[in-house]
Amino acid sequence: DTGVSQNPRHKITKRGQNVTFRCDPISEHNRLYWYRQTLGQGPEFLTYFQNEAQLEKSRLLSDRFSAERPKGSFSTLEIQRTEQGDSAMYLCASSSPPGGEAGELFFGEGSRLTVL
Amino acid sequence: KQEVTQIPAALSVPEGENLVLNCSFTDSAIYNLQWFRQDPGKGLTSLLLIQSSQREQTSGRLNASLDKSSGRSTLYIAASQPGDSATYLCAVRVGGYQKVTFGTGTKLQVIP
Repeated sequence: DTGVSQNPRHKITKRGQNVTFRCDPISEHNRLYWYRQTLGQGPEFLTYFQNEAQLEKSRLLSDRFSAERPKGSFSTLEIQRTEQGDSAMYLCASSSPPGGEAGELFFGEGSRLTVL
Repeated sequence: KQEVTQIPAALSVPEGENLVLNCSFTDSAIYNLQWFRQDPGKGLTSLLLIQSSQREQTSGRLNASLDKSSGRSTLYIAASQPGDSATYLCAVRVGGYQKVTFGTGTKLQVIP
C-alpha cells in the first residue's frame, strides 16, 4: 500500500502528558499537511511543509504544538502538556507539486487523540 | 477569509434515488475544489478534484460541477446505494496558498 500512513491510530493519554504522531506521506509527494478535526466539524488546517521547510502555520497551532519533517519524508506532530481540548482526530495529507495532478490532497486514516 | 458552507447538514434518501449535495464558498478566486467522502472514525477519501479552469468532473456515478462566479459546487450522485452512506466534504484551495478550507460536510444516509 503506497497511501498516506499515520501512527498511532488511537492514543489515550492523561492531561499534561506529551504525545507524538507520525505521518508517512505518499513517497513521491513533496507537500505534507496536518489538519485537526473535531466531532461534527470539517478538518481545520494546522500546518504545511514543502520538503523539509515548514511554510505555513495556523494560529490554531499554539506553543504546545510542534511539527517537523526533518528529511523531507515523514513528519511528526508533537503536542506537549496535553489538555482535554486537544482531543480530536489529527489528519495528515500529502499532495503532488504543480505539474502533477495539481494540488489533489490524499489523506491518511488519522490519529485519534483522547485526553483524559 | 474563505468560508465554505455545505447544505444540507444531513440527508436521508431511499436507495436508488438521485441526489445533489451543495457546497458554496465566499472567495471566487479559487485554485481548485475537491470533494471527499469520510466514513465514521476514518480518514478522508478523495472523490473528485475540479481545477479552477474546469466546469465539471465525473467518476462513475459521481459528477461534480463548479461555478466560480456564483461561488457554488454541486456533487451529483446517481442511483444511490446504501454503501454511499457517509459524510461528504468539499474543500476549497485559494490560488497562491496551500491552505485548504473545508466545509462542515453533509451526512448522507441511503436507506435500503
